[in-house]
Amino acid sequence: EADIYQTPRYLVIGTGKKITLECSQTMGHDKMYWYQQDPGMELHLIHYSYGVNSTEKGDLSSESTVSRIRTEHFPLTLESARPSHTSQYLCASSSFGVGSPLHFGNGTRLTVT
Amino acid sequence: RKEVEQDPGPFNVPEGATVAFNCTYSNSASQSFFWYRQDCRKEPKLLMSVYSSGNEDGRFTAQLNRASQYISLLIRDSKLSDSATYLCVVMDTGRRALTFGSGTRLQVQP
Repeated sequence: EADIYQTPRYLVIGTGKKITLECSQTMGHDKMYWYQQDPGMELHLIHYSYGVNSTEKGDLSSESTVSRIRTEHFPLTLESARPSHTSQYLCASSSFGVGSPLHFGNGTRLTVT
Repeated sequence: RKEVEQDPGPFNVPEGATVAFNCTYSNSASQSFFWYRQDCRKEPKLLMSVYSSGNEDGRFTAQLNRASQYISLLIRDSKLSDSATYLCVVMDTGRRALTFGSGTRLQVQP
């Protein structure tokens, strides 16, 4: 089972603050992903990476940015948080083989007041 | 049209019932298929991969029909603990990312 960790688990922050959501995995997976999910709604891919120094935007337009300087680390940053950013953010990783499933972290629940 | 479509449910079934979910996908070049389970306010967890020949894992059976572009999940002898949302997931080689369906909610009742 993949070990993938997200911090913080919960974050309540005021409008205009800069925030970084951390995601780390210890399985050496090349692929990493960020999904956004509102309660009871579907997952939306917002960013993904296929390796160090490789990042791509996903389906859902997002004001967040990501970086991939190390294989195990894929942080997501919001320069200026807004109430519309309130959501759950799920990080996932997978190996590169065809048919490799995603393994999810337990998510960061962000509330912007 | 969504790339991956599922009946949102909810499916309300009694314990011990057999229930089946279908999922259709639009990209004929899709290569990998999975069923995930998501409990309320939790992260999705892999339930099973779906293979072309169909596969079974205990009470769960997954089938793939490439010609009709749908996959199915059959749950036999439903347990209360099976209550969750079941997500159909498709890997598109073109986009190189996984696409999630919106999920089908299952509620197993005593």
